[in-house]
Amino acid sequence: SQQGEEDPQALSIQEGENATMNCSYKTSINNLQWYRQNSGRGLVHLILIRSNEREKHSGRLRVTLDTSKKSSSLLITASRAADTASYFCATLGGRGSTLGRLYFGRGTQLTVWP
Amino acid sequence: DGGITQSPKYLFRKEGQNVTLSCEQNLNHDAMYWYRQDPGQGLRLIYYSQIVNDFQKGDIAEGYSVSREKKESFPLTVTSAQKNPTAFYLCASHGQGANVLTFGAGSRLTVL
Repeated sequence: SQQGEEDPQALSIQEGENATMNCSYKTSINNLQWYRQNSGRGLVHLILIRSNEREKHSGRLRVTLDTSKKSSSLLITASRAADTASYFCATLGGRGSTLGRLYFGRGTQLTVWP
Repeated sequence: DGGITQSPKYLFRKEGQNVTLSCEQNLNHDAMYWYRQDPGQGLRLIYYSQIVNDFQKGDIAEGYSVSREKKESFPLTVTSAQKNPTAFYLCASHGQGANVLTFGAGSRLTVL
């Protein structure tokens, strides 16, 4: 299966701390994406990193990708209570893959305490 | 505002009944997708459509059916053949050349 797997399954931190979530996958990819889901809601795209990129930033988000280890990490700096949500990594397969055939992991539930 | 509208948000069904979940988008996106999400699980692809009047099975299409008669609409029917339909259903879309999905708010189906 190409499915990504996030680690840890759950993460609980205080406001102001950094949160790091990891994602591992099994096959070659075109890109890897991170999405956020608030409880009972749809997913929202956060950031995309291509297979030839190693690091990407967007605001308080920092994503790294190590294709040799087939892994990615999402760092949220200076966490806020509003960051409480589930975070999913999704991988898009190699050349010729259909975009919508993203393979989602089971997610990391992040709780940020005030 | 452009977006994807799913309805109903909550739906209850008796065993043996078919139900249809609505997904409408005003983003002018060509491609639309249906995912299923179970508690503690990732999203699994049910069906997808890259153009009007055409659609393909995803990884878990059994017990589901779709149609794509209009660009804006991609309804999903959960048939009585689906053995375990209780789940959260998410519709998504993307435009040409886009690399990310836009999701609706989801529909939660519960079989009584």
